[in-house]
Amino acid sequence: KAGVTQTPRYLIKTRGQQVTLSCSPISGHRSVSWYQQTPGQGLQFLFEYFSETQRNKGNFPGRFSGRQFSNSRSEMNVSTLELGDSALYLCASSLVTGRANEKLFFGSGTQLSVL
Amino acid sequence: EDQVTQSPEALRLQEGESSSLNCSYTVSGLRGLFWYRQDPGKGPEFLFTLYSAGEEKEKERLKATLTKKESFLHITAPKPEDSATYLCAVQVRDNNDMRFGAGTRLTVKP
Repeated sequence: KAGVTQTPRYLIKTRGQQVTLSCSPISGHRSVSWYQQTPGQGLQFLFEYFSETQRNKGNFPGRFSGRQFSNSRSEMNVSTLELGDSALYLCASSLVTGRANEKLFFGSGTQLSVL
Repeated sequence: EDQVTQSPEALRLQEGESSSLNCSYTVSGLRGLFWYRQDPGKGPEFLFTLYSAGEEKEKERLKATLTKKESFLHITAPKPEDSATYLCAVQVRDNNDMRFGAGTRLTVKP
């Protein structure tokens, strides 16, 4: 069974640009969550999508957005990049029991560097 | 406010030297506590889920335990391949949020 796939693996952008990251979840997983990981802040929750709807959102500015497609694949977009957006962006998929997510399966992440 | 605190930040052990990692939490309502392992350049990998105080789970040299305020990850006779960052996360009952601690970076020397 294929794991969670994130593309691209590395990205270098300059301030003010925008970026789109992609995530393909494990087959059958309808929940996709996005996290930002930095050495100083650790893993911080961005948002979660379930059946194409944003179900939960973390405390990030509106420059961070996402969407989910009917095949459960997800994208996240960051507009007007800032230096502080440099981070490892992780996508995780999970099964859902009732309303609650089961354990998360993470991709290897996209390492974003903003110059 | 929901909080997850892991200690120590970093831990260096000799091969075979057992120890424990701590995860203390304050949440409005706990649905589950999760332990993950993260290797450099990779995403976290699931280890255990604990749901209620008194619960214990084991896998090879690792054993996770849960009380009402904290969880421990016990590592018995560790090997160099156990070197990694260990993350704990609490899932909040009301809103399904998964809140992560900052992690403990474990190094096991041969």
